[in-house]
Amino acid sequence: DTGVSQDPRHKITKRGQNVTFRCDPISEHNRLYWYRQTLGQGPEFLTYFQNEAQLEKSRLLSDRFSAERPKGSFSTLEIQRTEQGDSAMYLCASSSPGQLGKGNTIYFGEGSWLTVV
Amino acid sequence: GDSVTQMEGPVTLSEEAFLTINCTYTATGYPSLFWYVQYPGEGLQLLLKATKADDKGSNKGFEATYRKETTSFHLEKGSVQVSDSAVYFCALSLGAGNKLTFGGGTRVLVKP
Repeated sequence: DTGVSQDPRHKITKRGQNVTFRCDPISEHNRLYWYRQTLGQGPEFLTYFQNEAQLEKSRLLSDRFSAERPKGSFSTLEIQRTEQGDSAMYLCASSSPGQLGKGNTIYFGEGSWLTVV
Repeated sequence: GDSVTQMEGPVTLSEEAFLTINCTYTATGYPSLFWYVQYPGEGLQLLLKATKADDKGSNKGFEATYRKETTSFHLEKGSVQVSDSAVYFCALSLGAGNKLTFGGGTRVLVKP
């Protein structure tokens, strides 16, 4: 069990540029989640996948954000035309399906820090 | 919508002191409840969880009891150590996707 892996860990980009983050979940987990965390705040849900299907997206996920999980394994989160307000830590998490609605444990990666200058 | 409210920090304690972090929730159904911990420079780690009313979650000396009547899940530890210095997040999950809704976090600083 190598845990949830995220890359890159840190990214500094100029406003208007596109950035992409990658997440590799725990190998047997079929659910994958993306969250955003700003300084001093709790993580906010962005979107989640079950296998390759994106089943829910938050209103926080504007049109500039897109997430994919093409083969049901790793996932990418792309932010187009970055803005300073996008500066945050982007967290990926995964879980096995377990019993629906019964609080199956969600495991988090260490996050990808984005700074937009 | 569903939400979690936890006490604001920072909470500063001396080693071996008793720690309580209050957490209350609002949910449309019967959620599962969690405490996650984030040590400096690290990701979120599950500390403990409870999936139904009156369940007690416990781990590493920390405990929390799911109180449906008061919609609370307060975190307690009887004797903290310097290594417990971290940010603690209360969270709930509800629904098929099990996505988590977090509180704002409480920073705890334990001094020797």
